[in-house]
Amino acid sequence: DAKTTQPTSMDCAEGRAANLPCNHSTISGNEYVYWYRQIHSQGPQYIIHGLKNNETNEMASLIITEDRKSSTLILPHATLRDTAVYYCIVQANQAGTALIFGKGTTLSVSS
Amino acid sequence: GAVVSQHPSRVICKSGTSVKIECRSLDFQATTMFWYRQFPKQSLMLMATSNEGSKATYEQGVEKDKFLINHASLTLSTLTVTSAHPEDSSFYICSAQRDSSYEQYFGPGTRLTVT
Repeated sequence: DAKTTQPTSMDCAEGRAANLPCNHSTISGNEYVYWYRQIHSQGPQYIIHGLKNNETNEMASLIITEDRKSSTLILPHATLRDTAVYYCIVQANQAGTALIFGKGTTLSVSS
Repeated sequence: GAVVSQHPSRVICKSGTSVKIECRSLDFQATTMFWYRQFPKQSLMLMATSNEGSKATYEQGVEKDKFLINHASLTLSTLTVTSAHPEDSSFYICSAQRDSSYEQYFGPGTRLTVT
C-alpha cells in the first residue's frame, strides 16, 4: 500500500509557482521522500528526493517539514509542459526495494 | 543522467502469441530491475522484481508462468508475455536500480495491444 496522501488534482496558471503537497505521517527514519512525474504515455521521470533537509535542483525544490510527516514539491515557474501526474513516494534507499506508486496528483497548467 | 531504454516502444500481436519486451540500462549496472504494468487512468502496479542471475520475485496475483522474466546480465532484463490475450493489453514499464546508489530510473514504456 502507498504510504502517502496527495490531492487528486490541482490547477496552476502558467508562470506561477506550483506547490504540490504530500502527507506521509507514517514515514520511518530511514525512508526518503521521492517525487516522480509521469507525462501521458511516458515512463515516470525522476524529479527530486530528500531525507530531512530541503533540496533544490534545476527542476524543483522539495520542502520537508521538521517532523518529516509532510512535504511540498515546488515548481517555481510552471509551464504547460509541466502538466503531468506527480507521485510522492516514501521508500528506504536500499537494494532490491521497488518504488510503490499511489494515485498521485494530476497537475494541470493552463495559460 | 542515467538512461533506461525499452524495446519495442509499442507492439500489436494476435491473441495466443508471445511477446518479448527488453529493458536495458545504458550507462550503469543494475543488479535489480523492476517491471510495472499500467492500465488506462490508473497508477503503476508493480508486477515483479528481477535480479541478475536469479529467479524473479512476483507480486501477488501476477502469474509467473505467463509473465516470464529473464535477467541475464547487469544491463538487460526481458519480460515475455506468453499466450497473450486482450486483457494483457497494457502499458508495461521497467525500471533499473543503479547498483552504486540504489536510485531507480524508468524506461519509456512499451504499449502492448493484443487483438
